[in-house]
Amino acid sequence: DAGITQSPRHKVTETGTPVTLRCHQTENHRYMYWYRQDPGHGLRLIHYSYGVKDTDKGEVSDGYSVSRSKTEDFLLTLESATSSQTSVYFCATKPGQGASNQPQHFGDGTRLSIL
Amino acid sequence: QQQVKQSPQSLIVQKGGISIINCAYENTAFDYFPWYQQFPGKGPALLIAIRPDVSEKKEGRFTISFNKSAKQFSLHIMDSQPGDSATYFCAARMWDTGNQFYFGTGTSLTVIP
Repeated sequence: DAGITQSPRHKVTETGTPVTLRCHQTENHRYMYWYRQDPGHGLRLIHYSYGVKDTDKGEVSDGYSVSRSKTEDFLLTLESATSSQTSVYFCATKPGQGASNQPQHFGDGTRLSIL
Repeated sequence: QQQVKQSPQSLIVQKGGISIINCAYENTAFDYFPWYQQFPGKGPALLIAIRPDVSEKKEGRFTISFNKSAKQFSLHIMDSQPGDSATYFCAARMWDTGNQFYFGTGTSLTVIP
């Protein structure tokens, strides 16, 4: 696979607590993405990055922030978790413009439960 | 608003049969259409992909048919096998927004032996 590691794989936390999910890649891919997967909604983009320190919002970005200080790491933070953020979170990567028809590669997800 | 509409939500097929999953879109800025396969507890994995200047692409038992004028594309799985039982997602890439991908809502395929 594309060498994507998500951590933690499972987390249970309480409403109002901060949560950070980590995505680490070993492929030197330029683009990195965070999605959430919920029944009936498929995969919805939260935030994405097109380079170190370059990020932008996706369609469901409210309540989430991201940071990318190194090519290989993309962090997703829930500043104050709510029950509506209970979901499975997937990280994906993609090579840069020189390989524009290359698909995304996905990690195996983080299952987050907020009680 | 769902940018890519996928149907059916679930599909049951006999072993050896043909599985067909359909997707439709409106935005003409989409320029790349991948299909992903996902097994429980795993992330989606690329199955096959197509560009809109091609009407059909075949890889083994998997075929994408693409109708640019109708803004529709479909995945056909020939000689479906129990090992094909998984969730399938279509997606579309928007070239002018930083390589954002929009996904359908998924189809749960069950192939009965």
